[in-house]
Amino acid sequence: GAVVSQHPSWVICKSGTSVKIECRSLDFQATTMFWYRQFPKQSLMLMATSNEGSKATYEQGVEKDKFLINHASLTLSTLTVTSAHPEDSSFYICSGIGHPEETQYFGPGTRLLVL
Amino acid sequence: DAKTTQPNSMESNEEEPVHLPCNHSTISGTDYIHWYRQLPSQGPEYVIHGLTSNVNNRMASLAIAEDRKSSTLILHRATLRDAAVYYCIHHYGQNFVFGPGTRLSVLP
Repeated sequence: GAVVSQHPSWVICKSGTSVKIECRSLDFQATTMFWYRQFPKQSLMLMATSNEGSKATYEQGVEKDKFLINHASLTLSTLTVTSAHPEDSSFYICSGIGHPEETQYFGPGTRLLVL
Repeated sequence: DAKTTQPNSMESNEEEPVHLPCNHSTISGTDYIHWYRQLPSQGPEYVIHGLTSNVNNRMASLAIAEDRKSSTLILHRATLRDAAVYYCIHHYGQNFVFGPGTRLSVLP
C-alpha cells in the first residue's frame, strides 16, 4: 500500500514558538492532502484540505493564520503551528489521496506538546 | 451532512469472527464506504472500501446492504493485533468525515 511519512514524530516546544510538521507521500503523488487533529480518547477532526498548488480550505473554527498549510509539490505538504500555546498540544495526522483509488493513506502522526 | 453511526465498543474472543456494524443512512449513489482502524498513538490504517458490492481483501470483508444504508466489516478470525478503534467513513467528493468509531477489544 501507499506510504505517507511525517516528520517529526514528536516535538516539545515552548509557548509562543512556531512548529513545522512535514507530510510526505513516499511512493505516490498526492494531489490532495488532509490535516487532522486528534485529542486523547477522541476521533480525528479534519482541520483543512490542501490541494497541490492552491490555497488550503480550512474547516470552520480552524484559524488559517495560526495553522499555515503549504502544499508546494505532489509529495509534500507542511503544517506550521504559529505562536503555539498549550491548548495546541495534540496529535496531528496528515493523509494523502492516491488516484485513482480515491483512498486516503495516513501518516503515523506527530505528537505536539507545548509547554 | 454525511454521518455514520457505530457502536461505541465491542468485544471478541481471539480466533473468532467479528462483525462490526455501521449505519450510513444519508449515503447517496456515488458515495463510497471506507473502513479504517487506528492503534494507539498511530495514524489510521486503511482496511477496506466499497461502493455497492461486497468486497474482500487480505485483511477483511465488507458486506454492504442492498439499500446501502448500512454495512458490516467482517474480520474472519480476530487476533490480539486486531484490537483497535475501527472507523466507518462515508466518503463523498473530498469529504472523509470520521465518527467516533468502535473500540474493538480482543480477548485471549
